[in-house]
Parts: sequence; structure tokens; C-alpha cells
Amino acid sequence: QSVLTQPPSVSGAPGQRVTISCTGSSSNIGAGYDVHWYQQLPGTAPKLLIYGNTNRPSGVPDRFSGSKSGTSASLAITGLQAEDEADYCCQSYDSSLSGYVFGTGTKVTVV
Amino acid sequence: QVQLQESGPGLVKPSETLSLTCTVSGGSISSYFWSWIRQPPGKGLEWIGYIYYSGSTDYNPSLQSRVAISVDTSKNRFSLKLSSVTAADTAVYYCARVEATVRGVIIDWSSVWFDPWGQGTLVTVSS
Repeated sequence: QSVLTQPPSVSGAPGQRVTISCTGSSSNIGAGYDVHWYQQLPGTAPKLLIYGNTNRPSGVPDRFSGSKSGTSASLAITGLQAEDEADYCCQSYDSSLSGYVFGTGTKVTVV
Repeated sequence: QVQLQESGPGLVKPSETLSLTCTVSGGSISSYFWSWIRQPPGKGLEWIGYIYYSGSTDYNPSLQSRVAISVDTSKNRFSLKLSSVTAADTAVYYCARVEATVRGVIIDWSSVWFDPWGQGTLVTVSS
């Protein structure tokens, strides 16, 4: 039920900036609903990274930032570090499905 | 710091009922909403439903006919039951606390996120 589309993978060298897109439709992101982001390190539970499109919970480095425009949202990681190697997933609300939906997930590799 | 821990059988037979419990520690289950989310192997996350400590619930319409979430405030835990399971229900099941944007005094139920999460438990449906 992944109605939010993300690229399967992105990669970057240490110190570089990478962005992950989350593309939705008029019934979710395009309808103005907020987007939230999670980081999932290998073998662990998802951890909240960004909530309400742009807000970072305490403890999340400011290297992580979120944005939203139209039917898409993006997560940017600046100053990429080896510890950022993980799966990242977006989440929003869908009015057609009457529920909360997640993205397809993106694996970030630090090369 | 609130922590969540899932527990329950790791193997369920087809057509039977999957039952899981999430125990909350480090904080009270009261005054919060709590959710179940699952992730089939190699696939994305799927929201199952949530419950308020008072017992009110909301479910994913795609699972609503088979799902029941309940809460036991005396034991600081909540539970999931998923009936008539098939192999498609094989997944890692997570429990999580629900957080939402509050606009004035009104909860914006379209702006909900999940934090924190339990470590997850793999449930396999197989005979």
C-alpha cells in the first residue's frame, strides 16, 4: 500500500549532500498534508527524523532537513557520514485511503 | 524515556488469529494514542491502526474487517488481534506511540507521526 514513491537508492561520498524525494498525489502530499521522515538502521526499528515537513526532534543533527512543495517532499542530508547509511522512509496521510501511508523507502549508501 | 516492547507468537497458522502485545515502560499509557504498524519482508511499512488509552480506535480500512486493537491500562499495555491470517500477513510488526500536531486545542488527525517505536517482532504465517 505504498502510495508515496521514493527512489530505491541514493549514494554519496562522505561530506557530500544527498537528497531523497517522496512523490505523492493530490490525495496526500498534494492535498497539503504534512510529511514525516524516518531513519531505519539495519536490523533496527524506524526512528523519527523529521516531523511536520521541516521539524527535527531533539537529538537529530541539523545535517538532516526536510522540505515540501506541491505533491512532493524531500529529505536532505548534508555532510554525509558513514553512520547515515540506512533506509529512509517518508509518511503522510491519504484522504482517499482514509489512513496513514508510507513511502517505498530509500537506501542511502555512503561510498 | 518511554520504551515499547512487542511480544507474542512468531509463527501463526493460516486462517488463525495473530495476537501481539505491546508493553509500555518508562511512562504511562494514559493520555496518548498508540499504534500498530507492520512491514512485510522486503516491502514498505503499512499502518494497521491506533487506540486511545480510553479504548477508542481507528483502523486502516484495508484491514478493518480483520483487526481489533485493545488496551489494558492496569498493565500499561495494548494488544493487536488480526484474524483469518494468510501468508500475506507475514511481516515484522511494530508498536509505536502516536504523536500529532495540535492546532490550538484541536488535534490535527491528518498530521500524525509515530515516535518512539518498539524493536519489532517477526510473525510468520505458515502451516
